[in-house]
Amino acid sequence: SAVISQKPSRDICQRGTSLTIQCQVDSQVTMMFWYRQQPGQSLTLIATANQGSEATYESGFVIDKFPISRPNLTFSTLTVSNMSPEDSSIYLCSVPGNTEAFFGQGTRLTVV
Amino acid sequence: KNEVEQSPQNLTAQEGEFITINCSYSVGISALHWLQQHPGGGIVSLFMLSSGKKKHGRLIATINIQEKHSSLHITASHPRDSAVYICAVLSGAGSYQLTFGKGTKLSVIP
Repeated sequence: SAVISQKPSRDICQRGTSLTIQCQVDSQVTMMFWYRQQPGQSLTLIATANQGSEATYESGFVIDKFPISRPNLTFSTLTVSNMSPEDSSIYLCSVPGNTEAFFGQGTRLTVV
Repeated sequence: KNEVEQSPQNLTAQEGEFITINCSYSVGISALHWLQQHPGGGIVSLFMLSSGKKKHGRLIATINIQEKHSSLHITASHPRDSAVYICAVLSGAGSYQLTFGKGTKLSVIP
């Protein structure tokens, strides 16, 4: 199993600013996923973060808007840059296990 | 791309009722997850299924691979079961990427 500590749990930010979300895993994992859940929508994969290489972004998501760092096998950050109200969402990190997936507690972001 | 549909979208039940939440998907999968999302946004994995049935306490999950359908049952529902329940599928062998349903919001009234 894996325990993921995600911070912050929530934040209210001014438009035009940036927020960095952190995920710390209690074990070494090769892959880490970042998801976004817009209000009333399903979770959507933003990118896959692999240690030692650049993140792989899904269609519709770009590195300039959502830069990701993965300095080691237990930690990753996602930055939401130059925020607008449309970025108000829940952001989640996740790691795969052998028999289940593990998720962070989520970051509820509100952009005003 | 796999399409994951859940029903119902919203469900209100009296405490003690038996609850069923359904999930259908369009393309063959390697595994299916049932997840529970709390009001703050955090997600807990309840089950991962590739066939048959699993039971954990008052929760039962079943999957029919041929019909591309899964159900989550809650027996003797309790207000603390109130949450959003999400179905997510792994579409291919060796794939770790999940495709999620929109979730079912369950409210259990005392």
